[in-house]
Parts: sequence; structure tokens; C-alpha cells
Amino acid sequence: KAGVTQTPRYLIKTRGQQVTLSCSPISGHRSVSWYQQTPGQGLQFLFEYFSETQRNKGNFPGRFSGRQFSNSRSEMNVSTLELGDSALYLCASSLGRDTNYEQYFGPGTRLTVT
Amino acid sequence: GENVEQHPSTLSVQEGDSAVIKCTYSDSASNYFPWYKQELGKRPQLIIDIRSNVGEKKDQRIAVTLNKTAKHFSLHITETQPEDSAVYFCAAGQKTSYDKVIFGPGTSLSVIP
Repeated sequence: KAGVTQTPRYLIKTRGQQVTLSCSPISGHRSVSWYQQTPGQGLQFLFEYFSETQRNKGNFPGRFSGRQFSNSRSEMNVSTLELGDSALYLCASSLGRDTNYEQYFGPGTRLTVT
Repeated sequence: GENVEQHPSTLSVQEGDSAVIKCTYSDSASNYFPWYKQELGKRPQLIIDIRSNVGEKKDQRIAVTLNKTAKHFSLHITETQPEDSAVYFCAAGQKTSYDKVIFGPGTSLSVIP
């Protein structure tokens, strides 16, 4: 069974640009969550999608948005990039929203904003 | 909302010794406490979790303890090996959904051969 995949793996953008990151969950998984990981900050929750609906959003500005498609694949978008958006963006999928279902992480997309 | 603190931020131990990482949380309603291991350049992986109805859980060389009164929980790794070197994240939150699980800042563990 293929694991969670994320594309692209690395990305370099300039301030003010926008970026779209993609996440393909494990087949059959309906819940996809996104996290921002920066050194010393751990994993900060961005948002969660389940059945194409955003269920919750973390404390991030409106420049961060996302969506989920009918095949459970998810994308996140960051507009008007800032230097502070440089981070590893991880997505994770699980069969359901409940923690009784194990959550599996993707390898991440390393975004560098210059 | 929930706030999770984790100590120490870095930890070095000799191979074969034990390692202990401690976390505290703020929300008394939290009832789910997972631990993740992230090796350099790799994705986080769940290594063990504990729910509020138990005080201790073991899996081979790894154990987690939970003190709900004091609102802290700990990860214990015995007989450490070089392959245990990684960043370990604790987390705390509601077991009903992952969006309510908050991560600590991480502990970088180095096991010296």
C-alpha cells in the first residue's frame, strides 16, 4: 500500500508570490490534515479536511487556504508569500477523524521563501 | 486552548543508557497523548500513545507515563541504541479528532555509541 505522498518535495519562491502544495493520502483515507513545521516550534496545525469539507483551521492568516477533492487528494495554497513562511509543510492522512485511526505523515514539502 | 511544553530541547545519552523526555499540558480536558519520532530528513512516525484511562503503557524499550493530576506525561526509552537518535515530539489533545491535538516543540535525542 502506497504511503502519503507530497509534491513537490522542494520549492523556492520569492516574497509576494503564491504557491500550491499537493498531498495524496493513503488509498481509502478520507481525513487529511496539514501542518507547518519550523525549527523549535514543533508541528503547527494548519487545517483539516474530511469529505471535501474543511473541519477546522489553526491560527494562521487568511493567506493560507486549502481544499480537498472527491478522491481525498488535498492542496494547500499560500498567497503573498512572506519570509516567515519558509518551513516544512507536512500533510497527514487517516481513515477517519478520530484518533482511533492512526495518522500517517507524508515526507513534506520544504518551502524556502527568498 | 491547549498548550504543550516539552523538556529538554536537546538530550545526549550514551548507548545503553536510558532517556527521559517530559511534557506538560494545560487543558485538563485533554485525553489523548501521542509521541512521534522524526529521524533526520524523514517524516514523523507515531511510536506510542496513551489515553487518559491508563497511567502507563509499554512497548518493548519504550514506555509512556501519564499523571493527569499534575498534567504531565513522559517518554522513557531504555537501553538506547544509535538508531534511537531523532527528534521526538509529544502531543496532547482530544481523542475525538486530530485537529484538537497540539504538538510540543520537540526534543532532539542523540545516542552516542
